[in-house]
Amino acid sequence: AQTVTQSQPEMSVQEAETVTLSCTYDTSENNYYLFWYKQPPSRQMILVIRQEAYKQQNATENRFSVNFQKAAKSFSLKISDSQLGDTAMYFCAFTGGYQKVTFGTGTKLQVIP
Amino acid sequence: GAVVSQHPSRVICKSGTSVKIECRSLDFQATTMFWYRQFPKKSLMLMATSNEGSKATYEQGVEKDKFLINHASLTLSTLTVTSAHPEDSSFYICSARLGTSGVTQYFGPGTRLLVL
Repeated sequence: AQTVTQSQPEMSVQEAETVTLSCTYDTSENNYYLFWYKQPPSRQMILVIRQEAYKQQNATENRFSVNFQKAAKSFSLKISDSQLGDTAMYFCAFTGGYQKVTFGTGTKLQVIP
Repeated sequence: GAVVSQHPSRVICKSGTSVKIECRSLDFQATTMFWYRQFPKKSLMLMATSNEGSKATYEQGVEKDKFLINHASLTLSTLTVTSAHPEDSSFYICSARLGTSGVTQYFGPGTRLLVL
């Protein structure tokens, strides 16, 4: 069974600064997908970024980028130039493809003005 | 693209009644949809996987007869909470995958259920 671990329950960052959220996972599969989802106070789950395990290049989406270390089974999210709208719960997630998604316990990020 | 809607967004019902929640993929077809339950300040707990035209697959510990799932079309899945009790009060979220080969799940805005 796959597991996803987010060891930082809460984090805070000053507006315009950079913050990194950690995520580790455990799997015996070789081909899989990793995601970061954002859940703001509205509780709508929003896809932030996606990484295919077979791609060595780290995914980026504007201010959001990941550091994917396949051997270490690590998948951290870096948010640059943090904005107040980035305040949310962030969930790291894993799927083996057409299977169900396993979510981490989440990291609550507070952006301080 | 990839918009998922849920209806209703909030519902309050009396204990013993049934409540139906709809999940629709608005601009794509979804052969597979998922239903989650989320407790306050907790992660998402998968309840069941809904496949169009076939029976849903329930996770261990989820009562099939209490949480009825129907996926009658490629754009609609419904979750019916039967004989609701206060402990069923929660936030229910659905998600859908694109087509038959999509990997990414797109989420609905959720439904807050309060059973009195």
